Amino acid sequence: GEDVEQSLFLSVREGDSSVINCTYTDSSSTYLYWYKQEPGAGLQLLTYIFSNMDMKQDQRLTVLLNKKDKHLSLRIADTQTGDSAIYFCAESRPTGNQFYFGTGTSLTVIP
Amino acid sequence: DAEITQSPRHKITETGRQVTLACHQTWNHNNMFWYRQDLGHGLRLIHYSYGVQDTNKGEVSDGYSVSRSNTEDLPLTLESAASSQTSVYFCASSLDRAEQFFGPGTRLTVL
Repeated sequence: GEDVEQSLFLSVREGDSSVINCTYTDSSSTYLYWYKQEPGAGLQLLTYIFSNMDMKQDQRLTVLLNKKDKHLSLRIADTQTGDSAIYFCAESRPTGNQFYFGTGTSLTVIP
Repeated sequence: DAEITQSPRHKITETGRQVTLACHQTWNHNNMFWYRQDLGHGLRLIHYSYGVQDTNKGEVSDGYSVSRSNTEDLPLTLESAASSQTSVYFCASSLDRAEQFFGPGTRLTVL
């Protein structure tokens, strides 16, 4: 939905780090997610973070959560051409089982 | 292996025609969702269901309907297709508030 915002585009050089940012509006959100969408495909879950955490690391991925500012970021270390995709953040709220998705950030990795 | 499938993958139709997009999941998930994906808007929720005989309107439900007669299927019907409904449609399913699993998408063009 429109309550979750992301920049539309990001370009990085292969081997550099990528940082994709997301802001959300509901401070009571319980889980926050990052999904990856490769061209012509559906979305696949990359990682998620529970709202009582401020950081989660999973191999090349680092998720940072700033609840005070309602800001979520995804850092991809040593970005590869295979990381080129659209990345969506999403939040789930205490009531209901819906997810609220951001606008998506299209990451282009330049060789 | 459990999966979620959508059919058709591509559809071209004319304004005013009724169109039904199929979604089938073998995860035995309670929850099923329909989204549309448009550049600049990300994923927007059309309809969702938390179980058999349960349906709910999402953010952009006008012109769409769903029915849930069994656990596995949630067909999406466009009552009278409009050009504004040209989009990519994704179906997803989940168990409670856990990860949503997405289908491969249906690209619909309304001429």
